[in-house]
Formats: sequence, structure tokens, C-alpha cells
Amino acid sequence: QKEVEQDPGPLSVPEGAIVSLNCTYSNSAFQYFMWYRQYSRKGPELLMYTYSSGNKEDGRFTAQVDKSSKYISLFIRDSQPSDSATYLCAMSAGYGGATNKLIFGTGTLLAVQP
Amino acid sequence: NAGVMQNPRHLVRRRGQEARLRCSPMKGHSHVYWYRQLPEEGLKFMVYLQKENIIDESGMPKERFSAEFPKEGPSILRIQQVVRGDSAAYFCASSPTDRGLSMNTEAFFGQGTRLTVV
Repeated sequence: QKEVEQDPGPLSVPEGAIVSLNCTYSNSAFQYFMWYRQYSRKGPELLMYTYSSGNKEDGRFTAQVDKSSKYISLFIRDSQPSDSATYLCAMSAGYGGATNKLIFGTGTLLAVQP
Repeated sequence: NAGVMQNPRHLVRRRGQEARLRCSPMKGHSHVYWYRQLPEEGLKFMVYLQKENIIDESGMPKERFSAEFPKEGPSILRIQQVVRGDSAAYFCASSPTDRGLSMNTEAFFGQGTRLTVV
């Protein structure tokens, strides 16, 4: 069983739709949860970072963490064609030494149709 | 203010040759991470280095792969006697402290080196 599971998609939505992206994990030691966006043939860029269970909002993006269910989500409101990319969830057990390496999901390919 | 710089962006090697991938971290950053991304897969951690020290190499294959981050100059990921299965995108990331990439700061990944073994 992978430590982090993510539906690879592809996910195709019309412009303006609400997008829901999800990951599940098995390692209870994970404390930090991140969402990265990766455009084709580019490096990942950090979108959202959360530590505790609950919601965190930043513009059109909302990150949600449920540690009891080991489940995280990213919601994108009013999706735009420019949001078309691969979205990667990532997790870490903490910081300092060997614990701060990131474990990534496989990524979900999102296409927002104009 | 340059970001994390990786070169070359594309590298083609024949089976059995050596590949050297370079990563210059952001100015002031002394912690470097290497990740590998295979087609249809997420990024896989390979190694975490500080200046002149390997902190965590738990993701590195036991043979043919090595990494260094000297006191001066870029970090180098070296793959000896490459095989077709080494074809992938290799990403480098940097951070200013041992808090790694877990903090809510600007993304510090490079654009990657795409290695193709023919």
C-alpha cells in the first residue's frame, strides 16, 4: 500500500466549476500537508500548506485536512483555464533531519475547459 | 533574485554512460533535496544534503547513484552506467533551514533536468 494515494484523473471541468481534489494517507506521523501545482514540463510550485486539521483559505483555493480520517482535499472555486495543470499533494512528518522529506501523491491532471 | 537553477534542462545519454545533473540552490540556501519523477508517477524523494554533508539518502538506489553538495559550487547528482530505467525528470529543491519544504514559503523547486537514456 502506498503511503499517499491520489486519483490520477484526468479530471475535466467547465470554466467556473468548483474542483475537488483529494488524497488519502496511511502514515499517522504526517504532520504537514501541502498542495503543489505543476504545469507541463515545469517544476512544482507550492499552492497551499496546512498543519492542523480544518480548513485554510487563500483566494480561490481552500485546503482541508481531516487527520482522523487521514484525508486531505483541495477545492478550487471559479476554476479558470489557467488552472489546468497537475496537482500534487505532499506530506511530511515534520522538520529537522530525515523527517522533513516530502512524500508526494501521484498527482491529478486537471483540465478546465473554456 | 534567481530561483533554484538546474542544468542541463535536457540530457541525453547512451546506456552505460555517466550523467551529471547540477543544482544551484537559491542564494543563502544551504539545504538541497533531490527528487525523481517517473512518467505517470509523483515525485520520489532521493536525497537530502547540507553543505558537505549527506543528511538522508534513504531514497537513493544502492548502486550507481551518488550525490554531493560541496562547500563551493552546485550540488551534483551523479548517475553512473545509466540504464533506460533511469530516464526521468530529476528535480532539485532548496531551503534556507532544516525546516525543509514544510513551511508556508515560496516554492523552491527548480525546473528539473529531463534525462533520456537511449
